[in-house]
Amino acid sequence: KQEVTQIPAALSVPEGENLVLNCSFTDSAIYNLQWFRQDPGKGLTSLLLIQSSQREQTSGRLNASLDKSSGRSTLYIAASQPGDSATYLCAVRPQDYGQNFVFGPGTRLSVLP
Amino acid sequence: DAGVIQSPRHEVTEMGQEVTLRCKPISGHNSLFWYRQTMMRGLELLIYFNNNVPIDDSGMPEDRFSAKMPNASFSTLKIQPSEPRDSAVYFCASRRDASYNEQFFGPGTRLTVL
Repeated sequence: KQEVTQIPAALSVPEGENLVLNCSFTDSAIYNLQWFRQDPGKGLTSLLLIQSSQREQTSGRLNASLDKSSGRSTLYIAASQPGDSATYLCAVRPQDYGQNFVFGPGTRLSVLP
Repeated sequence: DAGVIQSPRHEVTEMGQEVTLRCKPISGHNSLFWYRQTMMRGLELLIYFNNNVPIDDSGMPEDRFSAKMPNASFSTLKIQPSEPRDSAVYFCASRRDASYNEQFFGPGTRLTVL
């Protein structure tokens, strides 16, 4: 059964720093991996989707990489801003058609002004 | 596009009452998902529909939970009777089709069962 973990569970950084969030999954047989952002009391907002054949995706200050063979993905946030403060979740879609997205527990990010 | 729409946004009810949560997926999307999020268990998939047909309901916790999708633009998740341990945020999400597309989430319904 696919399991997804995220490290660290929480992170606090000063504004302007570059940072990396980590996501690990136990089964490399995936269709894709998606990073989401969740603000307190709100729903999930899709940030980036990486297909299994891709190595990375970029959107603005965000860059997500995927190393399927090692079961890892990273989300890189450049020049962090207080508005980036949120919980970041990664989710993988296993190739087993019976399963859909399996979510990690999230990393709670605080960017201090 | 209005995105995924859920109602109500907040629901407070007493134990034993019936609760119905509603979802309108993004127009043109034919896959719909119901999730539950709690502090203890994180985000869990409850049920997944494709073309209005339930494909995987293995995440539905017990018979008190039921979900329907009578047409492509509407789905309900019903809990009858509700219990305090059902208190959570329930999210609906939709996806364009069953291939590799990303999921889009609604704002969620925060359910409190007293």
